[in-house]
Amino acid sequence: NAGVTQTPKFQVLKTGQSMTLQCAQDMNHNSMYWYRQDPGMGLRLIYYSASEGTTDKGEVPNGYNVSRLNKREFSLRLESAAPSQTSVYFCASSEGQVSSPLHFGNGTRLTVT
Amino acid sequence: AQTVTQSQPEMSVQEAETVTLSCTYDTSESNYYLFWYKQPPSRQMILVIRQEAYKQQNATENRFSVNFQKAAKSFSLKISDSQLGDTAMYFCAFMKHVAAGANSKLTFGKGITLSVRP
Repeated sequence: NAGVTQTPKFQVLKTGQSMTLQCAQDMNHNSMYWYRQDPGMGLRLIYYSASEGTTDKGEVPNGYNVSRLNKREFSLRLESAAPSQTSVYFCASSEGQVSSPLHFGNGTRLTVT
Repeated sequence: AQTVTQSQPEMSVQEAETVTLSCTYDTSESNYYLFWYKQPPSRQMILVIRQEAYKQQNATENRFSVNFQKAAKSFSLKISDSQLGDTAMYFCAFMKHVAAGANSKLTFGKGITLSVRP
């Protein structure tokens, strides 16, 4: 019953440091997504992957890179963290078919000082 | 581009009463899907209910139902017999219909914080 697993749950970075957020799903879903959640802003799409081997930019991609390592895993990398990237990050997956709902991980709270 | 608006940032309701959360959206699409997600303090995002735009009948899931007004582009969530466990942030979301094999993305509103009072 794992669903979508994100690691780590919490992270504190200094400005300029880099890190990778990991995401894995065990539901054999085709599509995977990275969102960020900020107070008063809802969830905004950073990047998504429609299927293994493809990635596309979402609404707020600047400062991030992604890798769809295989069908299960979709990682998000911050090359040089900035305070504006302080947020809660959610990974999600879906079957990728029309109207398929998204299944979310439990989020990563990232603070950049 | 689609936009989703949740104009009420906070609401409060007495336990066992009924509450309605508002959502409006803007789109030029004729075929799409609408969702309500719940985010309790645990931070987990939970799908509450889904509505297909081509269906005139409003979706229901136990105590949760929607009032979908396509012409008005309105999609409100009604929670009946509110329970303490309903305390959460609620997000309205939009997904446009795409061809088979293409990718669909969710666009979220800013959310509304609902507090259920004992």
